[in-house]
Amino acid sequence: DAKTTQPPSMDCAEGRAANLPCNHSTISGNEYVYWYRQIHSQGPQYIIHGLKNNETNEMASLIITEDRKSSTLILPHATLRDTAVYYCIVRAGSYSNYQLIWGAGTKLIIKP
Amino acid sequence: DSGVTQTPKHLITATGQRVTLRCSPRSGDLSVYWYQQSLDQGLQFLIQYYNGEERAKGNILERFSAQQFPDLHSELNLSSLELGDSALYFCASSVSVNTEAFFGQGTRLTVV
Repeated sequence: DAKTTQPPSMDCAEGRAANLPCNHSTISGNEYVYWYRQIHSQGPQYIIHGLKNNETNEMASLIITEDRKSSTLILPHATLRDTAVYYCIVRAGSYSNYQLIWGAGTKLIIKP
Repeated sequence: DSGVTQTPKHLITATGQRVTLRCSPRSGDLSVYWYQQSLDQGLQFLIQYYNGEERAKGNILERFSAQQFPDLHSELNLSSLELGDSALYFCASSVSVNTEAFFGQGTRLTVV
């Protein structure tokens, strides 16, 4: 079973910040939160990941709550090309044996 | 372009047949993962290899098998195919088992 909960769909206006929430209330102390997106039926694209600190890269920012039970992916200036399904994933397992457990994701639609 | 190459891109075959899907990881990546994505579903983890050794197994059927060769490319073998095996099959690779994975563009398998 997926260990994350995301809204099934969201809309965002082009040029605005898109904030995608994710609940992972059963996350363990050593489990990372990963975000990927999948445009149509292409291969998923890695966006960002984090453990407990907020992270930022050229694509997005990841805000993780202090209790680590939820996080938010922020796309600062959404474009039409950001329309995709966004997956919040918890990496489970030990150092030598882990797997990404995928949920249903959030379908983000960027509107002009 | 993620650097992960999957062949073929499309495959149509009949029930009961056997097929082999191939994956070439990014240069330098030692870990390879296989995922199955049925229509409008999330990704199901199948199996993971690291430097030629199986590291983790997910929901992989007994009719399916995989291996990673000394040159690090991997093959997923699907036998006694059924209509329900029709799906996108993705390969991903990462430098090690606990770093972000990069996905190929997938092989679309259609069983008729």
